[in-house]
Amino acid sequence: KNEVEQSPQNLTAQEGEFITINCSYSVGISALHWLQQHPGGGIVSLFMLSSGKKKHGRLIATINIQEKHSSLHITASHPRDSAVYICAVRWSNDMRFGAGTRLTVKP
Amino acid sequence: SAVISQKPSRDICQRGTSLTIQCQVDSQVTMMFWYRQQPGQSLTLIATANQGSEATYESGFVIDKFPISRPNLTFSTLTVSNMSPEDSSIYLCSATGGGSTNYGYTFGSGTRLTVV
Repeated sequence: KNEVEQSPQNLTAQEGEFITINCSYSVGISALHWLQQHPGGGIVSLFMLSSGKKKHGRLIATINIQEKHSSLHITASHPRDSAVYICAVRWSNDMRFGAGTRLTVKP
Repeated sequence: SAVISQKPSRDICQRGTSLTIQCQVDSQVTMMFWYRQQPGQSLTLIATANQGSEATYESGFVIDKFPISRPNLTFSTLTVSNMSPEDSSIYLCSATGGGSTNYGYTFGSGTRLTVV
């Protein structure tokens, strides 16, 4: 069983829609990351969370430590948001990644 | 999906020395990447390892400090040269373009480096 589960695996949205990507994990963690990977392959780290909520522009990330769950929200989605979004969790000396959510935003 | 074996998983090194990290992929992949995660920070892309040519480095990273090799489509190394305590980080490789049925990106397990 994957220790980090993301859903959905693929998501297609129309421009302007509100997007939610979910991440659940099975172990206690020290931090959770949301990563964005563009078709060219480079990864951008969007957020690092250990509790609560963070916001950056149109992106919002939340984490519930007790429920071992995190969500990434994109408000007013845009075609340039099309990418793979990866949840990664850290605990002790390990890092584990979700399989990613491929988001396609159509104009 | 492709599987990456990254070695070593961790190391403690003396300042002034160099450490080479290896990533071996179990299938041919188009692109390989190296990342660094400093304590309390998120992942940062160091460079893209190009097969048969010099790596492409991101702003703030230079070849003299982080030489990278990519001799073939399944293997890459990252060397952290002349280390200082500030180089203490997790280093991660990833690969894509292997033709898998999922989104095609896979990651090494990371190397935790401590420089003393």
